[in-house]
Amino acid sequence: GDSVTQMEGPVTLSEEAFLTINCTYTATGYPSLFWYVQYPGEGLQLLLKATKADDKGSNKGFEATYRKETTSFHLEKGSVQVSDSAVYFCALTGVNRDDKIIFGKGTRLHILP
Amino acid sequence: DAMVIQNPRYQVTQFGKPVTLSCSQTLNHNVMYWYQQKSSQAPKLLFHYYDKDFNNEADTPDNFQSRRPNTSFCFLDIRSPGLGDAAMYLCATSINRGADTQYFGPGTRLTVL
Repeated sequence: GDSVTQMEGPVTLSEEAFLTINCTYTATGYPSLFWYVQYPGEGLQLLLKATKADDKGSNKGFEATYRKETTSFHLEKGSVQVSDSAVYFCALTGVNRDDKIIFGKGTRLHILP
Repeated sequence: DAMVIQNPRYQVTQFGKPVTLSCSQTLNHNVMYWYQQKSSQAPKLLFHYYDKDFNNEADTPDNFQSRRPNTSFCFLDIRSPGLGDAAMYLCATSINRGADTQYFGPGTRLTVL
């Protein structure tokens, strides 16, 4: 079945460091790919998405490119801030109407001032 | 602003005492979802409504029920909460099923004493 694998955390970085959180997927067909972010005590918020190969999603300085050849959707940010501390979930949904969203296990990010 | 609202944000109940969690949306979306999220885990889908059509996940315990009296509101009823039901409960909506983006509420944190 479809699945999402993302790097385990926690990831600890200093402010202004470069961030990469790896995400790879297994799916039939051409799924849509998402990154959701969950701040402490809050629900999930959509950070960015991509719906077809080579699409780049971007938001708030974060970027991820849908790579069909490597089945990856890695999240990157050039200069992180303390306010980026949160849990990040990579996710996919299939092309069928009945397909559910499948989440990775989440990666906790700590940014030190 | 259009949004997904959950009440209460924090709920404390006693072992075996029924509890109801509430979700409302101003997005006029067709689909409403309930997820259970335990500490340091990804959200787990319990069930969803597509309009008035209820769709239960195969592994959702019978202890969990849901009602959707109209487009805007959806309720999660836990008939006899156990200690293992303590978790964050997230409501989400989407225009349609499948690859559509899901919009999450802030969650209700349930404590079972």
